[in-house]
Amino acid sequence: GAVVSQHPSRVICKSGTSVKIECRSLDFQATTMFWYRQFPKKSLMLMATSNEGSKATYEQGVEKDKFLINHASLTLSTLTVTSAHPEDSSFYICSVYRRNQPQHFGDGTRLSIL
Amino acid sequence: DQQVKQNSPSLSVQEGRISILNCDYTNSMFDYFLWYKKYPAEGPTFLISISSIKDKNEDGRFTVFLNKSAKHLSLHIVPSQPGDSAVYFCAASETGNQFYFGTGTSLTVIP
Repeated sequence: GAVVSQHPSRVICKSGTSVKIECRSLDFQATTMFWYRQFPKKSLMLMATSNEGSKATYEQGVEKDKFLINHASLTLSTLTVTSAHPEDSSFYICSVYRRNQPQHFGDGTRLSIL
Repeated sequence: DQQVKQNSPSLSVQEGRISILNCDYTNSMFDYFLWYKKYPAEGPTFLISISSIKDKNEDGRFTVFLNKSAKHLSLHIVPSQPGDSAVYFCAASETGNQFYFGTGTSLTVIP
């Protein structure tokens, strides 16, 4: 299966800061990656589908100008939380899609906005 | 609207006994199901899967059962071990692409 590296694992920053989270597929060229968000005691919620070389597809209710996704190469997708506020504090997880295989996840990023 | 539900947020089991985690779904078009295991501050790790053409899949101590008519699947762990203590998510998809996750069940295996 795919090996996925997500960085950073934890971010604490002030309100108004923009935060970039990286998701790397280490052993597989991934044309599709997913970004999820998890609130405490809640399910993993799909935020967007990141497509290499094209615009991301956002789920309903997710602000594309707030959560910028860039998938410029087959091994890297980035999620930038722009002008983050306390309500953006959450656990963000990426995963790599590989046809006919389960998704493999990164270890997640704990974002805390003060 | 939650398409995949895990109605038990937590479960405690004695070491050596069987753990049974349950999952219900509403979309009859789902044809591929997975269980993930998640430790705190880590991403989910794939555990076992089952497609809708089967009603059972076994991998070592882990067995997943699928009841399509009831839209229900379950994960059996036997014998349970303390290292199995984690949060377990079930996930389902129609196309094998976008997955819908349950809210998770926190399993505690008591030594």
